[in-house]
Amino acid sequence: TQTVSQSDAHVTVFEGDSVELRCNYSYGGSIYLSWYIQHHGRGLQFLLKYYSGNPVVQGVNGFEAEFSKSDSSFHLRKASVHWSDSAVYFCAVSGSTGANTGKLTFGHGTILRVHP
Amino acid sequence: NAGVIQTPRHKVTGKGQEATLWCEPISGHSAVFWYRQTIVQGLEFLTYFRNQAPIDDSGMPKERFSAQMPNQSHSTLKIQSTQPQDSAVYLCASSPPNSGNTLYFGEGSRLIVV
Repeated sequence: TQTVSQSDAHVTVFEGDSVELRCNYSYGGSIYLSWYIQHHGRGLQFLLKYYSGNPVVQGVNGFEAEFSKSDSSFHLRKASVHWSDSAVYFCAVSGSTGANTGKLTFGHGTILRVHP
Repeated sequence: NAGVIQTPRHKVTGKGQEATLWCEPISGHSAVFWYRQTIVQGLEFLTYFRNQAPIDDSGMPKERFSAQMPNQSHSTLKIQSTQPQDSAVYLCASSPPNSGNTLYFGEGSRLIVV
Protein backbone atom coordinates (compact mmCIF):
# COMPACT_ATOMS: atom_id res chain seq x y z
CA THR A 1 0.00 0.00 0.00
CA GLN A 2 1.31 3.39 -0.94
CA THR A 3 0.46 6.45 1.12
CA VAL A 4 1.26 10.12 0.91
CA SER A 5 1.08 12.49 3.85
CA GLN A 6 1.05 16.25 3.61
CA SER A 7 1.24 17.40 7.19
CA ASP A 8 0.24 21.01 6.63
CA ALA A 9 -3.31 21.60 5.45
CA HIS A 10 -2.75 25.36 5.21
CA VAL A 11 0.32 27.53 4.82
CA THR A 12 0.15 31.33 4.77
CA VAL A 13 3.09 33.54 3.81
CA PHE A 14 3.75 36.99 2.43
CA GLU A 15 4.90 37.76 -1.08
CA GLY A 16 8.67 37.47 -1.29
CA ASP A 17 8.90 34.95 1.56
CA SER A 18 10.38 31.51 1.08
CA VAL A 19 8.14 28.52 1.59
CA GLU A 20 8.46 24.78 2.11
CA LEU A 21 5.55 22.40 1.66
CA ARG A 22 6.11 19.03 3.26
CA CYS A 23 5.42 15.60 1.83
CA ASN A 24 6.16 12.19 3.31
CA TYR A 25 5.41 8.93 1.61
CA SER A 26 5.46 5.20 2.12
CA TYR A 27 5.88 2.77 -0.72
CA GLY A 28 7.67 -0.51 -1.15
CA GLY A 29 9.48 -0.40 -4.43
CA SER A 30 10.79 1.83 -7.16
CA ILE A 31 8.75 4.99 -7.42
CA TYR A 32 8.11 8.29 -9.03
CA LEU A 33 7.46 11.28 -6.77
CA SER A 34 5.79 14.37 -8.13
CA TRP A 35 4.13 17.63 -7.23
CA TYR A 36 1.06 19.15 -8.86
CA ILE A 37 -0.61 22.53 -8.41
CA GLN A 38 -4.33 23.25 -8.60
CA HIS A 39 -5.69 26.75 -8.88
CA HIS A 40 -9.27 27.30 -7.78
CA GLY A 41 -11.76 25.69 -10.14
CA ARG A 42 -9.08 24.29 -12.42
CA GLY A 43 -7.48 20.93 -13.09
CA LEU A 44 -4.13 19.88 -11.73
CA GLN A 45 -0.93 21.03 -13.41
CA PHE A 46 2.36 19.17 -13.22
CA LEU A 47 5.17 21.00 -11.39
CA LEU A 48 8.06 18.55 -11.14
CA LYS A 49 9.00 14.92 -10.48
CA TYR A 50 11.80 12.74 -9.18
CA TYR A 51 12.75 9.25 -10.20
CA SER A 52 16.47 8.88 -9.73
CA GLY A 53 19.72 10.81 -9.78
CA ASN A 54 20.17 14.25 -8.27
CA PRO A 55 17.81 14.38 -5.29
CA VAL A 56 17.06 18.05 -5.90
CA VAL A 57 14.81 18.55 -8.90
CA GLN A 58 13.88 21.82 -10.49
CA GLY A 59 10.38 22.58 -11.71
CA VAL A 60 8.47 25.39 -13.30
CA ASN A 61 8.15 28.90 -11.87
CA GLY A 62 11.12 28.59 -9.52
CA PHE A 63 9.89 25.58 -7.59
CA GLU A 64 12.23 22.81 -6.54
CA ALA A 65 11.87 19.69 -4.45
CA GLU A 66 14.31 17.49 -2.61
CA PHE A 67 14.04 13.73 -2.26
CA SER A 68 15.26 12.09 0.93
CA LYS A 69 15.18 8.31 1.09
CA SER A 70 16.15 8.25 4.76
CA ASP A 71 13.26 10.55 5.70
CA SER A 72 10.84 9.21 3.05
CA SER A 73 10.23 12.80 2.10
CA PHE A 74 9.87 14.93 -0.99
CA HIS A 75 9.42 18.51 0.22
CA LEU A 76 8.63 21.33 -2.19
CA ARG A 77 10.36 24.70 -1.86
CA LYS A 78 10.37 28.11 -3.40
CA ALA A 79 12.78 30.87 -2.46
CA SER A 80 10.51 33.84 -3.12
CA VAL A 81 6.78 33.38 -3.60
CA HIS A 82 4.42 35.53 -5.65
CA TRP A 83 0.74 36.11 -4.92
CA SER A 84 -0.07 34.04 -8.02
CA ASP A 85 1.45 31.00 -6.31
CA SER A 86 -1.64 30.86 -4.10
CA ALA A 87 -3.18 27.47 -4.88
CA VAL A 88 -3.50 23.92 -3.60
CA TYR A 89 -0.39 21.80 -3.92
CA PHE A 90 -0.55 18.03 -4.16
CA CYS A 91 2.25 15.56 -3.63
CA ALA A 92 1.90 12.22 -5.43
CA VAL A 93 3.63 8.86 -5.56
CA SER A 94 3.39 6.10 -8.14
CA GLY A 95 5.15 2.89 -8.92
CA SER A 96 7.56 2.78 -11.81
CA THR A 97 6.95 -0.78 -12.94
CA GLY A 98 4.06 -2.87 -14.19
CA ALA A 99 0.44 -1.92 -13.70
CA ASN A 100 1.33 0.56 -10.96
CA THR A 101 2.96 2.80 -13.53
CA GLY A 102 0.87 5.90 -13.89
CA LYS A 103 -1.51 5.17 -11.06
CA LEU A 104 -0.80 8.12 -8.81
CA THR A 105 -1.69 8.23 -5.14
CA PHE A 106 -2.12 11.82 -3.99
CA GLY A 107 -1.81 13.47 -0.63
CA HIS A 108 -4.70 15.56 0.65
CA GLY A 109 -3.08 18.75 -0.50
CA THR A 110 -1.68 21.90 1.11
CA ILE A 111 -3.46 25.20 0.57
CA LEU A 112 -0.85 27.91 0.08
CA ARG A 113 -2.05 31.45 0.59
CA VAL A 114 0.31 34.27 -0.35
CA HIS A 115 -0.55 37.72 0.94
CA PRO A 116 0.53 40.65 -1.26
CA ASN B 1 -2.39 21.81 -28.17
CA ALA B 2 -5.85 22.13 -26.66
CA GLY B 3 -5.08 20.06 -23.59
CA VAL B 4 -7.37 17.43 -22.13
CA ILE B 5 -10.97 18.32 -22.83
CA GLN B 6 -13.75 17.27 -20.48
CA THR B 7 -17.46 17.69 -21.06
CA PRO B 8 -19.75 18.68 -19.56
CA ARG B 9 -18.02 21.04 -17.13
CA HIS B 10 -21.05 21.00 -14.88
CA LYS B 11 -23.90 18.54 -14.60
CA VAL B 12 -26.81 18.39 -12.20
CA THR B 13 -28.71 15.15 -12.16
CA GLY B 14 -31.53 13.73 -10.10
CA LYS B 15 -30.99 10.81 -7.77
CA GLY B 16 -31.38 7.56 -9.65
CA GLN B 17 -30.63 9.02 -13.06
CA GLU B 18 -27.66 8.17 -15.27
CA ALA B 19 -24.71 10.49 -15.85
CA THR B 20 -22.11 10.18 -18.60
CA LEU B 21 -18.91 12.19 -18.59
CA TRP B 22 -16.63 12.55 -21.61
CA CYS B 23 -12.91 13.01 -21.91
CA GLU B 24 -10.81 13.78 -24.96
CA PRO B 25 -7.14 13.14 -24.20
CA ILE B 26 -4.27 15.02 -25.74
CA SER B 27 -3.50 13.68 -29.20
CA GLY B 28 -0.65 11.18 -29.12
CA HIS B 29 -1.02 10.36 -25.46
CA SER B 30 -1.20 6.65 -24.76
CA ALA B 31 -2.74 6.54 -21.30
CA VAL B 32 -5.99 7.96 -19.92
CA PHE B 33 -6.85 8.18 -16.23
CA TRP B 34 -9.99 9.00 -14.29
CA TYR B 35 -9.91 10.46 -10.79
CA ARG B 36 -12.62 11.70 -8.45
CA GLN B 37 -12.08 14.72 -6.20
CA THR B 38 -14.11 15.58 -3.12
CA ILE B 39 -13.38 17.73 -0.09
CA VAL B 40 -13.61 14.78 2.27
CA GLN B 41 -11.81 12.06 0.31
CA GLY B 42 -9.45 14.20 -1.74
CA LEU B 43 -8.21 12.79 -5.03
CA GLU B 44 -9.20 9.17 -5.57
CA PHE B 45 -7.98 7.02 -8.42
CA LEU B 46 -10.80 5.35 -10.33
CA THR B 47 -9.45 3.65 -13.44
CA TYR B 48 -7.01 3.92 -16.30
CA PHE B 49 -6.44 2.79 -19.87
CA ARG B 50 -3.25 2.32 -21.78
CA ASN B 51 -3.45 2.16 -25.58
CA GLN B 52 -7.22 1.94 -25.13
CA ALA B 53 -6.99 -1.24 -23.05
CA PRO B 54 -8.29 -1.19 -19.47
CA ILE B 55 -5.34 -1.67 -17.12
CA ASP B 56 -6.58 -1.03 -13.62
CA ASP B 57 -10.11 -0.31 -12.43
CA SER B 58 -9.46 -0.99 -8.77
CA GLY B 59 -10.85 2.37 -7.71
CA MET B 60 -14.17 2.03 -9.45
CA PRO B 61 -17.27 1.37 -7.37
CA LYS B 62 -18.20 -1.91 -9.02
CA GLU B 63 -21.93 -1.81 -9.26
CA ARG B 64 -22.82 1.52 -10.84
CA PHE B 65 -19.62 2.89 -12.40
CA SER B 66 -18.20 1.93 -15.75
CA ALA B 67 -15.58 3.40 -18.04
CA GLN B 68 -14.80 2.81 -21.66
CA MET B 69 -12.32 3.96 -24.22
CA PRO B 70 -13.76 3.03 -27.62
CA ASN B 71 -11.07 4.86 -29.57
CA GLN B 72 -7.87 6.77 -28.91
CA SER B 73 -9.62 10.13 -29.00
CA HIS B 74 -12.12 9.74 -26.21
CA SER B 75 -13.06 7.99 -23.01
CA THR B 76 -16.33 7.95 -21.11
CA LEU B 77 -17.22 7.48 -17.47
CA LYS B 78 -20.78 6.37 -16.88
CA ILE B 79 -22.54 6.38 -13.53
CA GLN B 80 -25.84 4.55 -13.35
CA SER B 81 -28.50 5.21 -10.74
CA THR B 82 -26.61 8.21 -9.37
CA GLN B 83 -26.60 8.82 -5.64
CA PRO B 84 -25.88 12.02 -3.68
CA GLN B 85 -22.53 10.58 -2.57
CA ASP B 86 -21.47 10.49 -6.24
CA SER B 87 -21.37 14.29 -6.20
CA ALA B 88 -17.78 15.23 -6.94
CA VAL B 89 -15.44 16.68 -9.51
CA TYR B 90 -14.39 13.98 -11.94
CA LEU B 91 -10.97 14.59 -13.41
CA CYS B 92 -9.60 13.01 -16.55
CA ALA B 93 -5.89 13.00 -17.30
CA SER B 94 -3.74 11.71 -20.11
CA SER B 95 -0.09 10.80 -20.30
CA PRO B 96 2.29 10.46 -23.24
CA PRO B 97 4.35 7.33 -23.82
CA ASN B 98 7.49 7.04 -21.72
CA SER B 99 6.60 10.15 -19.75
CA GLY B 100 7.56 8.81 -16.37
CA ASN B 101 4.09 9.18 -14.96
CA THR B 102 3.57 12.82 -15.86
CA LEU B 103 -0.16 13.41 -16.07
CA TYR B 104 -1.92 16.21 -17.93
CA PHE B 105 -5.30 16.94 -16.37
CA GLY B 106 -8.47 18.36 -17.79
CA GLU B 107 -10.47 21.04 -15.99
CA GLY B 108 -12.83 18.45 -14.56
CA SER B 109 -16.55 17.73 -14.68
CA ARG B 110 -18.46 18.80 -11.59
CA LEU B 111 -21.34 16.39 -10.96
CA ILE B 112 -24.06 17.32 -8.50
CA VAL B 113 -26.69 14.72 -7.64
CA VAL B 114 -29.82 16.15 -6.05
